[in-house]
This record gives sequence, C-alpha cells and structure tokens, in this order.
Amino acid sequence: EDQVTQSPEALRLQEGESSSLNCSYTVSGLRGLFWYRQDPGKGPEFLFTLYSAGEEKEKERLKATLTKKESFLHITAPKPEDSATYLCAVQARAKDSSYKLIFGSGTRLLVRP
Amino acid sequence: GAVVSQHPSWVICKSGTSVKIECRSLDFQATTMFWYRQFPKQSLMLMATSNEGSKATYEQGVEKDKFLINHASLTLSTLTVTSAHPEDSSFYICSARDTGSWGAFFGQGTRLTVV
Repeated sequence: EDQVTQSPEALRLQEGESSSLNCSYTVSGLRGLFWYRQDPGKGPEFLFTLYSAGEEKEKERLKATLTKKESFLHITAPKPEDSATYLCAVQARAKDSSYKLIFGSGTRLLVRP
Repeated sequence: GAVVSQHPSWVICKSGTSVKIECRSLDFQATTMFWYRQFPKQSLMLMATSNEGSKATYEQGVEKDKFLINHASLTLSTLTVTSAHPEDSSFYICSARDTGSWGAFFGQGTRLTVV
C-alpha cells in the first residue's frame, strides 16, 4: 500500500537554528515527490517537485533532497516567517489509472524570534 | 506558478441545506481536478478525482450522492455538499493539474460550517 510518513510531527526552532524535516515513503513506482507549505486556513503552496534519487532543489532557505526511500527538507537559518505546516506528497496511480497525490500528515514548524 | 481560485473562502449553512463550492483554474486548462477534505491538524484526504467531461472517481468511503462533483469545462469544477450536516463541517480544498505537467496547484480552501 502506498504510504507517506512525515517526522517530526511538530518542530520548534529558534530563529537561525537550522534543521531538517523527514518524509519517508513507500510507493509502487515513484513518479514524483512534492513538498508544500501550508499556512493556517489556506491551501497548500507548492514548493518543490523531485523525481529521482539524488535530485536536489533549493529555494531561499529551503533545500529538498531525495533518496530511494525518503526525502528531506532542510531549513537553513530559519526566520519566524518560515513558520507553517510543511506537507510531503507522492504521486501514485489512482483507481481510474490516472495519478493522484498521497499526502503525509505534515510537520508543524514554529520558528521563534 | 499556475493560479487556482476557490470560492467561497468560507460559508456557514443550516443543517439540511446544500452548498456549492467552485474551483477555477485561472491561467491554464485543467484536465484533472482533485477535491480534498482536511480536518484540524490533519493532512489532506483525497475525496475524488474529476476529469473534464466525465464522471468523478470517488475514494473509498466517500458518498458520491452526498458530494456531487461536476467538471463541465477545462477551467471549472464544482463540489456540492448536499443535505449538509454538522459532521460535514470541514476545510475543503481543490487542486488542478495542468495538461502535460504534473504540477498540482491548490485553491485557497473553503471553510464549511454547518449549524
């Protein structure tokens, strides 16, 4: 069964304290792993797509990496405005043979000034 | 990035009434749209996948007669919650996939409260 597990569930950091969020997955035939940021009461905001092991992508203080079993979202010198829930999702085959995203439960990040 | 607009952003309705939520892709054609439901502090649960011009495919446990999905054009999908009850109160989010790519872009979400 396709599954996505994120850890930790919640993370508190001091401003400037770098850390990493983990997303481990099991899916038959990975066709893409996605990272999203979600602020309270809002829809997810797209951050990155990774397709193959070894791939890395960066955006400002965020860097996403991918292995065959997991992905990491590294946050370097975070700021309070980075506080949000970070969601990981993998692309899996749906019942009608199209594709759908399966989401992890998310990591709630709080960055204190 | 592509823009997906969802309306309304919040709605309060009385138990037993129906509520329609719209999802529009503003600058691209969306052959496939997805509807999700999210409970507080939980992740997104896929409810159904809709392809333009065909019937939606519902996930297991989702009542298709209660959650009516219409995807009549390449830029618009609607979700109608029929005969709403308090347990239907939730955050509903749509997303749309651009033809030829796998970027999935999300609407702002709709907070439904049934009283």
